[in-house]
Amino acid sequence: SQKIEQNSEALNIQEGKTATLTCNYTNYSPAYLQWYRQDPGRGPVFLLLIRENEKEKRKERLKVTFDTTLKQSLFHITASQPADSATYLCALLANQAGTALIFGKGTTLSVSS
Amino acid sequence: ETGVTQTPRHLVMGMTNKKSLKCEQHLGHNAMYWYKQSAKKPLELMFVYNFKEQTENNSVPSRFSPECPNSSHLFLHLHTLQPEDSALYLCASSQDTPRGLKRSNSYEQYFGPGTRLTVT
Repeated sequence: SQKIEQNSEALNIQEGKTATLTCNYTNYSPAYLQWYRQDPGRGPVFLLLIRENEKEKRKERLKVTFDTTLKQSLFHITASQPADSATYLCALLANQAGTALIFGKGTTLSVSS
Repeated sequence: ETGVTQTPRHLVMGMTNKKSLKCEQHLGHNAMYWYKQSAKKPLELMFVYNFKEQTENNSVPSRFSPECPNSSHLFLHLHTLQPEDSALYLCASSQDTPRGLKRSNSYEQYFGPGTRLTVT
C-alpha cells in the first residue's frame, strides 16, 4: 500500500539547537514534496517545496533535503526558537494520476527556552 | 491572514440537522479544496474543484455535499451527520491543480482557519 509517514509524533528540543524532522514514503513516485506549518486552531501554512530532481532547498533558517533513493525528506530548522513550536506536515504529489496532495500526520515540535 | 476565510469557525449540530460551511478565497485562484482533519490522522482530501468543476471526490459519503458556484466560493452542505464526522474541516485554494504536462508546476495550497465541527 502507499504510505507517507512522519516518524516522530512529537519532538522536543532546546532553543538554539537544530530540529530535524523526517518524512518517509513508500510506493510513490513523487513529483514534488511540500512542507507546511500548522499552529493550533489554524490551517496549515506552506513553507517549502522540493522537486524530485532537487537534493536540497533553503529558506532562511529552513532547509529541506530530498533523497528519492531512500524515499525520504528531511526538514531542518537551524537555531531553533520557541516561536518555531508548531506541527509540521509533509505532503507529497505523486507522479501517478490525480491532483491530490497526500499528507503525513505531522510532527509536533516543541522548542524550550 | 492567508486570503482564505471560512465561516463559521465553530459549529455544533445534531445528527438530524442540516447546516452549511462556507469558504471564500480572495487570491484569484482557480482551484479549491475541502479537507477533513481528525486528531491523530493525516489531512484527508474530500473534494477538489478546478474552474468550478469537481475534479475529485475522494469516496466521501453523500451526507457531505459540496457546491462551488464560482472560483472564489466553496460550500460544504451537511445533513444527517454522525458523531464520527466531528473534526476540523479545512478549505484550501491554489492557483491551479497539477494536470497533464503541468504536473511539474508547483501549486502550494493556501488554507483557511477551518471550521471545528462537533456532531452530537
